[in-house]
This record gives sequence, C-alpha cells and structure tokens, in this order.
Amino acid sequence: GAGVSQSPSNKVTEKGKDVELRCDPISGHTALYWYRQSLGQGLEFLIYFQGNSAPDKSGLPSDRFSAERTGGSVSTLTIQRTQQEDSAVYLCASSLSGVYSNQPQHFGDGTRLSIL
Amino acid sequence: AQRVTQPEKLLSVFKGAPVELKCNYSYSGSPELFWYVQYSRQRLQLLLRHISRESIKGFTADLNKGETSFHLKKPFAQEEDSAMYYCALYNNNDMRFGAGTRLTVKP
Repeated sequence: GAGVSQSPSNKVTEKGKDVELRCDPISGHTALYWYRQSLGQGLEFLIYFQGNSAPDKSGLPSDRFSAERTGGSVSTLTIQRTQQEDSAVYLCASSLSGVYSNQPQHFGDGTRLSIL
Repeated sequence: AQRVTQPEKLLSVFKGAPVELKCNYSYSGSPELFWYVQYSRQRLQLLLRHISRESIKGFTADLNKGETSFHLKKPFAQEEDSAMYYCALYNNNDMRFGAGTRLTVKP
C-alpha cells in the first residue's frame, strides 16, 4: 500500500484479555516504530525494529507488552492481560532506513484500544 | 539523556495573529530537530526539519543551539493551522518526541 496500515482501527475488549495489534509498514522501509498516545499525554515510544530485530526494548511499559516483526515487514504488538490503563491509541510508524535515522517517520492511523 | 520539552500543552490565538510554539531540548551535541503535526482526523505527519531550513505552510523554525530551542513560528495564524504539534529530536540512533502542543486558532 501507499502508507502505513494498522489494524484493527478500533478495539474494545474486557480487562484481562489479550490483544494483538498489527502494523504493515510502507514497502521497503526497514525501520518500524511503535508508540502509544494517551489522552493528555504525548507520544510515548514503545519499541523499534531494524529489520526483524528490536535492539531497544526499553520503552515497553511492562512484561505484558511484547512485539515481533517477521520478514522485515509486518509487525504485531501484543498486550497480555490487558488493564484499563492500557487504553490508548497505539501508533505505528516506519522510515526508509536506519535505526532512528533522520529519515522522516511515516505514521499509520493508529489503533484505538479501549479496555472495559 | 535526550529530552524534548514543549512547555505549553494548549495554545490559543486569533486568526491573523502571530504564533510561536515552544520547543526546548537537552542535548549537548548536534541533534537534528523536527516538527510533526496532526490535524483533526488525520495522521501524524512531518511538518518540517531544521536541516532543510524551509518554510512549510508559512511555518518556520530556527535551531538556536545557545538556547537549545527549536521554536515553531508563523507570522499570521490561520484557522486551518489548528492541530496538535510535536517537536522531535534525533541524535545517535535515538529519537524523542515532546508531549505536544495543541494549537487552536480562533476566527
């Protein structure tokens, strides 16, 4: 596709359930990033991938969060045993090259996650 | 550690008035700075980057290393400028975003 695609666009689930969020980056972009945007907060960095590897996992808020990327393309962010404080918009971005390179990041529409 | 500070969460101006969105950073090297914008119901997107020294939609931003600032300015704000603005800093494989400033331009 022409841009970064995220699915689902909206997800409502009960507390304690697991959720999986998907990001399909722009073709050819080797770097992929996940962010969280909470009400009243800015962009909180979660994790980035260079190819399939994630050298920096320091931004993941807890061990309930995990992410993977296969084939250097699609990435999934998984949240286990969701809590209400996990409710946020989860944004994915990709950039052409490099790890946090100065290439501009292209963002998806995000997944709005609501935990009941 | 690198930090980006946007001191104003909310900023409101009238149409035609000058606007300045503040951004300060903490880093002693030579970072690259960006401004990203998110209009209502649109994706977050790059507005401008300091290395390009360009004016986009009438906005400019000058990197002031002495004051460690990268404020975004526009001499005459328009209603369509209402959006969320994020300042971002890149250096040495690390990129940080500020908390964002919501700009409202009133008619």
